[in-house]
Amino acid sequence: EVQLLESGGGLVQPGGSLRLSCVASGFTFSNYWIHWVRQAPGKGLMWVSRINSDESTTTYADSVKGRFTISRDNAKNTLYLQMNSLRDEDTAVYYCARPKSTGTTAFDLWGQGTMVTVSS
Amino acid sequence: QSVLTQPPSVSGTPGQRVTISCSGSSSDIGSNTVNWYQQVPGAAPKLLIYTNSQRPSGVPDRFSGSKSGTSASLAISGLQSEDEADYHCAAWDESLKGVVFGGGTKLTVL
Repeated sequence: EVQLLESGGGLVQPGGSLRLSCVASGFTFSNYWIHWVRQAPGKGLMWVSRINSDESTTTYADSVKGRFTISRDNAKNTLYLQMNSLRDEDTAVYYCARPKSTGTTAFDLWGQGTMVTVSS
Repeated sequence: QSVLTQPPSVSGTPGQRVTISCSGSSSDIGSNTVNWYQQVPGAAPKLLIYTNSQRPSGVPDRFSGSKSGTSASLAISGLQSEDEADYHCAAWDESLKGVVFGGGTKLTVL
């Protein structure tokens, strides 16, 4: 089955760190850019970051730049998001998402999401 | 605050046609294609329309998309109760070098 499965969410205090994982199966993970998208409770979607197939290119939203790091291990079919210096406003469901094809940001495959709560 | 502007809510009765607008700028919708997602509560978004007007396999032809200049719209005809969901538009932004989304529109089927 073609799927993405996130894990690693939880409750963390402001200023703390968390690492999210996204395991891919059913497709050739190493062929795709992969993105992180988040959704705060009751709010819209917000793009967080992206990484290309060989890790040579990464891009971040301004609100997370310098605090979050995206990476991947193609041998393990796994995407990561290292989140440091977490803030209350980082509280959200975090999704990993795969574009439909190269050169597009139409995400046709999403994980189920993992909840990150930043609170003291 | 989202980069793309959508109405917070729309509503319609079964069988009606509704449209959801998405307004952007020259750096996002004006320069790139628009994608639409459907999201039911508690679930991940689902790709509904890509490249302005293309439907993925399995999406009914009741759903259609269009784009003109710096705006796009999603039309749903023959409204059904299962269409009740949140709808999000998205596009690549050349100046931000990232994907921008609308704030989402909640569709209520009366």
